[in-house]
Parts: sequence; C-alpha cells; structure tokens
Amino acid sequence: KQEVTQIPAALSVPEGENLVLNCSFTDSAIYNLQWFRQDPGKGLTSLLLIQSSQREQTSGRLNASLDKSSGRSTLYIAASQPGDSATYLCAALAAGNKLTFGGGTRVLVKP
Amino acid sequence: NAGVTQTPKFRILKIGQSMTLQCTQDMNHNYMYWYRQDPGMGLKLIYYSVGAGITDKGEVPNGYNVSRSTTEDFPLRLELAAPSQTSVYFCASSADRGNSPLHFGNGTRLTVT
Repeated sequence: KQEVTQIPAALSVPEGENLVLNCSFTDSAIYNLQWFRQDPGKGLTSLLLIQSSQREQTSGRLNASLDKSSGRSTLYIAASQPGDSATYLCAALAAGNKLTFGGGTRVLVKP
Repeated sequence: NAGVTQTPKFRILKIGQSMTLQCTQDMNHNYMYWYRQDPGMGLKLIYYSVGAGITDKGEVPNGYNVSRSTTEDFPLRLELAAPSQTSVYFCASSADRGNSPLHFGNGTRLTVT
C-alpha cells in the first residue's frame, strides 16, 4: 500500500528565504506526482504535475523534482513571499487510479 | 469558467439523517472524485468515476453512495449520518488519469451531531 509522507508538518521562514518542501512515497511505481496548494477554507489548487518519466517541472518561482528510485519529490519556492503562506500537499498517482495524498506542510512566510 | 462547484458549503446533520452533497463541473472532464479531509490528515478517496454511468469505490466508501448519470454531475449521498462522517468533503475532476492535474471544488464542511 502506497504511503506518502510530508515532513515537517509546519514550517516558518522569513520573507525572501527559499522554501524547500519534502515529499516521500513508499511505492516507486507511480504514474505521476502532483503538488497542490491549499488556502484556509478552500479547495486544493494544482501547482505542478511531474510525470513518472520526468525529473523536474518548473513554473515561475516554483520548481519540483522527482526521484523515483529514492521515493522522493521536493518542491522549491524561490524568494518566498507572505502570499506563499498556505498548506502544500503532494500526491502520488499509482495503478488502479489511486491517488495517495501526504498530510501536507503548513507554511508561514513572515514579513 | 466556474470549474468545480460544490453545494452546500456548510451543513449540520443529526445522527441518522441523510443528505446529498452536490458536485458539478463545466470542464467536460470524464474523471470525477470525492475525497474527505480530516484535520491534520491527507485526503482520503471515497468514490470515483471514470465517466457517466461508471463509478467505483475508493479507500473509504462505507456509509456513502454515488451516482454519475451525466458527465457534469457527481452527487455524494450520505445515508444514516454518523459522527465519524464529520469532515470536509471535496469533489474534484480531471480530464484523464495520468496526464492532467486535478481541479478541486471549495469543499463542503459537514458536522454530524
């Protein structure tokens, strides 16, 4: 059974610092890995989707890497801003259309 | 585009009552999903559908039912509500399984007392 873990559960950084968010998964037989952002009281917004054949994806200040052999994905957010404060979740898609979510990392960027 | 729309936003039920959570999407997506999110936990898949007329159980289907009569709508039915069903429910859709991101609604916060 796939298990997805995000450590730490919460993170606080000063504005301008780069953010590094970790995601680990136990079963490397995945189709893709997605990163989401969730604001309080809202649904999830897709940030990046990395196919199993890819090593990384980039969108603006966001960069996500994928290392299937080690069961890890990392989301980098450059030059963090207070508006980046949110909960970030990763999810791994495996056989049987099963998308397994991590518990999320709650990020606070202090002005 | 409205994307994925869920109603209601909030609901309080008494134990044993029933209700239907509504979900509709206007992106012509074949895949639709229902998740529940409990505090501090990741999302758990309740049911999903790969197209009109086709549904399948997810990780935590007990106490729930779904139907998919049209591409747009994917309602979730709670029969005999229990306190364990207190949660935030999210509906999502995607164009396909592996290549497209999920689009989520804003959720329904349900309390069963």
